[in-house]
Amino acid sequence: KAGVTQTPRYLIKTRGQQVTLSCSPISGHRSVSWYQQTPGQGLQFLFEYFSETQRNKGNFPGRFSGRQFSNSRSEMNVSTLELGDSALYLCASSLLADYEQYFGPGTRLTVT
Amino acid sequence: TQLLEQSPQFLSIQEGENLTVYCNSSSVFSSLQWYRQEPGEGPVLLVTVVTGGEVKKLKRLTFQFGDARKDSSLHITAAQPGDTGLYLCAGHGNYKLTFGKGTLLTVNP
Repeated sequence: KAGVTQTPRYLIKTRGQQVTLSCSPISGHRSVSWYQQTPGQGLQFLFEYFSETQRNKGNFPGRFSGRQFSNSRSEMNVSTLELGDSALYLCASSLLADYEQYFGPGTRLTVT
Repeated sequence: TQLLEQSPQFLSIQEGENLTVYCNSSSVFSSLQWYRQEPGEGPVLLVTVVTGGEVKKLKRLTFQFGDARKDSSLHITAAQPGDTGLYLCAGHGNYKLTFGKGTLLTVNP
């Protein structure tokens, strides 16, 4: 069974631009979560989707948004990029609510 | 706010040594997971513990969940260079994982 895939793996953007990251969960998994990882803050929860519904959202500004499609694939969008948004963005999928999560390799975003 | 604190933050040991890393929480989670992450990759799930007092063994790794389900430990026996990585504990609840900041383990040959 294929794992969680994320595209692109690396991205360089300029301040003020926007970016869209994509995540394809493990086949059959309906829950997709997004996390931001930085050296200073560690892994921080962004949001979780289950059957196209956002069920929980972390403490991030409204510039961070996401969505999930009917095939469980998910995207997250960051608008008006800031230097502090440079991070590894990780997507994780799980079979059911409150179940074990499996992570993708992440998208390394650099904002210059 | 639920917090997970991990200690030590950094650990550098020689091959063959034993080690223990700790994860302590300010509150109870429905389950606790341990992950290992290598540079540039996503965390890989090692184990999930659910029941207070639970002990799970995975080859040379032993995981314990405290009776009150607020703390956990990971013990590695006879560490090998391949054990090098960032060890993260995460508490599961309310449709999300809350992570500790991790223990960065280096095992020198």
